[in-house]
Amino acid sequence: GAGVSQSPSNKVTEKGKDVELRCDPISGHTALYWYRQSLGQGLEFLIYFQGNSAPDKSGLPSDRFSAERTGGSVSTLTIQRTQQEDSAVYLCASSSTSGGADTQYFGPGTRLTVL
Amino acid sequence: GQQVMQIPQYQHVQEGEDFTTYCNSSTTLSNIQWYKQRPGGHPVFLIQLVKSGEVKKQKRLTFQFGEAKKNSSLHITATQTTDVGTYFCAGPSAGNKLVFGAGTILRVKS
Repeated sequence: GAGVSQSPSNKVTEKGKDVELRCDPISGHTALYWYRQSLGQGLEFLIYFQGNSAPDKSGLPSDRFSAERTGGSVSTLTIQRTQQEDSAVYLCASSSTSGGADTQYFGPGTRLTVL
Repeated sequence: GQQVMQIPQYQHVQEGEDFTTYCNSSTTLSNIQWYKQRPGGHPVFLIQLVKSGEVKKQKRLTFQFGEAKKNSSLHITATQTTDVGTYFCAGPSAGNKLVFGAGTILRVKS
């Protein structure tokens, strides 16, 4: 497809379990962002990958959160030992350059529910 | 670090009334972008402004970029129920990362 895709679309897990969320950016896009959005709230920046540079991890809320981007394309966000406060929609976005000037294209998100 | 502030946080208008959301940055911006997120959806790019004092229109939506390139506004004329959603502004930080405002939630009463 032409857009950003994310999987799964919904994930229900038990407290303490690990989860992996996947993002497939638009082909050729060098920048990739992860955000978290709680119900009725704004976009909370988590991590930013730009090309081959070291990722900007300044938004990760704790060491339970980590992300990888393999081969400059697909990215995986991992949350270890999930807590109920991790419940939110996790959004991925990509843009065509590594600069902040470019339009971001968002995926549909993964809704995570931690019971 | 750079901050992008948006006001109001929430606005509820009667259908047909006008609506404006304002965005202010703590630093000068090379450009500003606006996004719209419909309820249950994901943010979708609306427009980018680059020039000082720039004004762009999309049908009933008017976007402005301040002369000092530190503030911007989005004005909707004669709101319709299809305008409901959250409007975000965003600007690039010194670290070349796009920073989003907190968003303005618009509700339209018909």
